[in-house]
Amino acid sequence: NAGVTQTPKFQVLKTGQSMTLQCAQDMNHNSMYWYRQDPGMGLRLIYYSASEGTTDKGEVPNGYNVSRLNKREFSLRLESAAPSQTSVYFCASSETANGASPLHFGNGTRLTVT
Amino acid sequence: GDSVTQMEGPVTLSEEACLTINCTYTATGYPSLFWYVQYPGEGLQLLLKATKADDKGSNKGFEATYRKETTSFHLEKGSVQVSDSAVYFCALSDYGGSQGNLIFGKGTKLSVKP
Repeated sequence: NAGVTQTPKFQVLKTGQSMTLQCAQDMNHNSMYWYRQDPGMGLRLIYYSASEGTTDKGEVPNGYNVSRLNKREFSLRLESAAPSQTSVYFCASSETANGASPLHFGNGTRLTVT
Repeated sequence: GDSVTQMEGPVTLSEEACLTINCTYTATGYPSLFWYVQYPGEGLQLLLKATKADDKGSNKGFEATYRKETTSFHLEKGSVQVSDSAVYFCALSDYGGSQGNLIFGKGTKLSVKP
């Protein structure tokens, strides 16, 4: 019963490098989300996908792109990494995006940009 | 806009002590309220929720009551255990809007000493 799986768990990038964070869920959820978690800031929404085929910006989308590859998978891409993107990234999913369904989180990707 | 304010930590308690973590919110609509918990090295997981005024959410000995008159959703537990050591996040979802994403507080770290 995997739930939400994120890869990689850890990553170190140099400024300007690119990478893609992968996320997959096996709960047949319609909605998927990417958050970042920074000390003292709580969680901030980067992008979300209410349903397959749609994506929308969250609170802090600058510097990121997303792809909802299919119902299961939702990837986050950093085209040109910056030190300000050093953070822990969480993928989450929910049955619907109407707010009534709780989120299920992955275990996070710890990204350091030097 | 909608927001959540929760007491700053860290909170350090001895085993079997009583716990209260304060959470207040501002919202234009009629939000659902949630408490999520994050154990070390893991993603967040739903602890409890309440969807309307005067509802009480409960789970694992934790309780929180949705108080519309004081716009509060305080988390309580009568006797904490070492295994309760974690970061607790209060969150709201005003799914009267189109986005339906959660708005999180900044988190309160709880440490329980034996």
